[in-house]
Amino acid sequence: QKEVEQDPGPLSVPEGAIVSLNCTYSNSAFQYFMWYRQYSRKGPELLMYTYSSGNKEDGRFTAQVDKSSKYISLFIRDSQPSDSATYLCAMSEGRTGGFKTIFGAGTRLFVKA
Amino acid sequence: NAGVTQTPKFQVLKTGQSMTLQCAQDMNHNSMYWYRQDPGMGLRLIYYSASEGTTDKGEVPNGYNVSRLNKREFSLRLESAAPSQTSVYFCASSEGLGGQRDGYTFGSGTRLTVV
Repeated sequence: QKEVEQDPGPLSVPEGAIVSLNCTYSNSAFQYFMWYRQYSRKGPELLMYTYSSGNKEDGRFTAQVDKSSKYISLFIRDSQPSDSATYLCAMSEGRTGGFKTIFGAGTRLFVKA
Repeated sequence: NAGVTQTPKFQVLKTGQSMTLQCAQDMNHNSMYWYRQDPGMGLRLIYYSASEGTTDKGEVPNGYNVSRLNKREFSLRLESAAPSQTSVYFCASSEGLGGQRDGYTFGSGTRLTVV
């Protein structure tokens, strides 16, 4: 079993829809949770990070962490065609885990105009 | 634009050939990393350098070597390429080790095919 599981999609939604992207994990020691966005033929770029549990909002993006369920989510409101990309979740224990970051395989998102 | 620059962008090698992937960052970051990305596998860490003068193995180091030439540059060498090393290679950097708060800054990648 992978340490981090992420549905590869693809996920196709109409413009303006609310998108929900999710990851599950097995390591209860993860404390840092990140979402990266990767456009085709480009490197990933950090979208959001969250420390421990709770919600974090940045514009149209909201990241949620539920440590009790070992489940994290990224919500995109009013989705735009420019949001079409692969979204990678990433997690880390921080110092106790040697700062290693584990990435999910990514979910491909298509937003249709 | 400031960031991470990787060369080359594309490369085709024959089995057994060697090559070096170059990476340079101009953000004065302390830590640098080499990842490979394969379909369905996510990003897997090959080697990393916590700071200038140090290097450590990641999850999948076999068949690779690295050199942290100075604070800016971190190269990845394939001594004898194998078809299993066909992948997209990303170099990344971060201010602190692990990049938990500020994240990694990734290069645009090198698409390597070994035939």
